[in-house]
Amino acid sequence: SYVLTQPPSVSVAPGKTARITCGGNNIGSKSVHWYQQKPGQAPVLVIYYDSDRPSGIPERFSGSNSGNTATLTISRVEAGDEADYYCQVWDSSSDVVFGGGTKLTVL
Amino acid sequence: QLQLQESGPGLVKPSETLSLTCTVSGGSISSSSYYWGWIRQPPGKGLEWIGSIYYSGSTYYNPSLKSRVTISVDTSKNQFSLKLSSVTAADTAVYYCARRGPTNKDPFDYWGQGTLVTVSS
Repeated sequence: SYVLTQPPSVSVAPGKTARITCGGNNIGSKSVHWYQQKPGQAPVLVIYYDSDRPSGIPERFSGSNSGNTATLTISRVEAGDEADYYCQVWDSSSDVVFGGGTKLTVL
Repeated sequence: QLQLQESGPGLVKPSETLSLTCTVSGGSISSSSYYWGWIRQPPGKGLEWIGSIYYSGSTYYNPSLKSRVTISVDTSKNQFSLKLSSVTAADTAVYYCARRGPTNKDPFDYWGQGTLVTVSS
């Protein structure tokens, strides 16, 4: 089965840049989606197909994907960005796969 | 604006069958080629895909749950449903229904608010 690996936590100061990684075997050949989940709320799609942003998502959110690592980058981090972030791919053998999630803490 | 709403019992006894329904409003399940899925999240843990149903009725399940899961669609009511049999405490989770785009590589773009199901006697 296909496995996605995320760091459990990332901390960043307000105004700085946060980078959350999602590791997987040759993930660069797959389409990666990222979701933001705040406490008590449903996940919200923030990046799809590696680097596209849904309408309403700030330009501060961006994504990249190459080799064995996909990265969600949040520029000029704000307190409101504090949340759990999940990566997700589709794999031909495992179907839908989610990463374990990363808790972003704004210091 | 598409909306999804989960409904069903919040408490299920061990060994029984968990049954949830997702009602879709603001769009028709049968008029567009989308996948409709179920995802769960145990308390304090991450997201786990349970399975999906294509608008045509084809189903796809997480291999780890496949023997216990049935997803069906009722186009007359614009609903799709989840049944999970022989539940244990490990099935206690918030259950979300969500829509995925027309290809299996698409993201889940609309989600319900989620419903907590507790498995306990």
